[in-house]
Amino acid sequence: GEDVEQSLFLSVREGDSSVINCTYTDSSSTYLYWYKQEPGAGLQLLTYIFSNMDMKQDQRLTVLLNKKDKHLSLRIADTQTGDSAIYFCAERPHSGAGSYQLTFGKGTKLSVIP
Amino acid sequence: GAGVSQSPSNKVTEKGKDVELRCDPISGHTALYWYRQRLGQGLEFLIYFQGNSAPDKSGLPSDRFSAERTGESVSTLTIQRTQQEDSAVYLCASSPGLAGGRTSTDTQYFGPGTRLTVL
Repeated sequence: GEDVEQSLFLSVREGDSSVINCTYTDSSSTYLYWYKQEPGAGLQLLTYIFSNMDMKQDQRLTVLLNKKDKHLSLRIADTQTGDSAIYFCAERPHSGAGSYQLTFGKGTKLSVIP
Repeated sequence: GAGVSQSPSNKVTEKGKDVELRCDPISGHTALYWYRQRLGQGLEFLIYFQGNSAPDKSGLPSDRFSAERTGESVSTLTIQRTQQEDSAVYLCASSPGLAGGRTSTDTQYFGPGTRLTVL
């Protein structure tokens, strides 16, 4: 089955850029998502990218996709203390059986040091 | 309310008791999902409903777990004879589903979750 891997922890200073990395195994066309989870809260969708794209930018967020290496990254520019949270990478096939199922990584806990 | 809502937000129960968790999806979303998130872990898929089709129950961990959904509205997840290993956050999500066209991203929107603690 599909597998999604992330590093568990990242610590950055306020104002610096954060880069959260994710690798996935599904070789078919797929949607890739980044969700943010703050303490005690549900998951908030940040952004998504389809596997035929290389990059997507949305304000302070930049998603880069290396299809060859099946590597996805989320860059947060000018990181703020409010960005402290757990960030989940998730993958879903574009079509076929189980195309509704999201496969999640274990999440990367981002700590922002003031 | 525009988002997915879940109740209760917290539930503490004794081992062996039954619990029922509720999810109200976004209006108009035909697809509904339940996930389980154990401490420090990612989300595990439990069950998927799409309209009036038979649900995909492939993620349910045991026959103590069941879920119902009436039409395209509220869903309840029931755990019978709870065990300590059932302690987790149970998250519900909804998406436009087939009504939104499977060629779309069919993005899933999550509720705040129910934190279940089994003593």
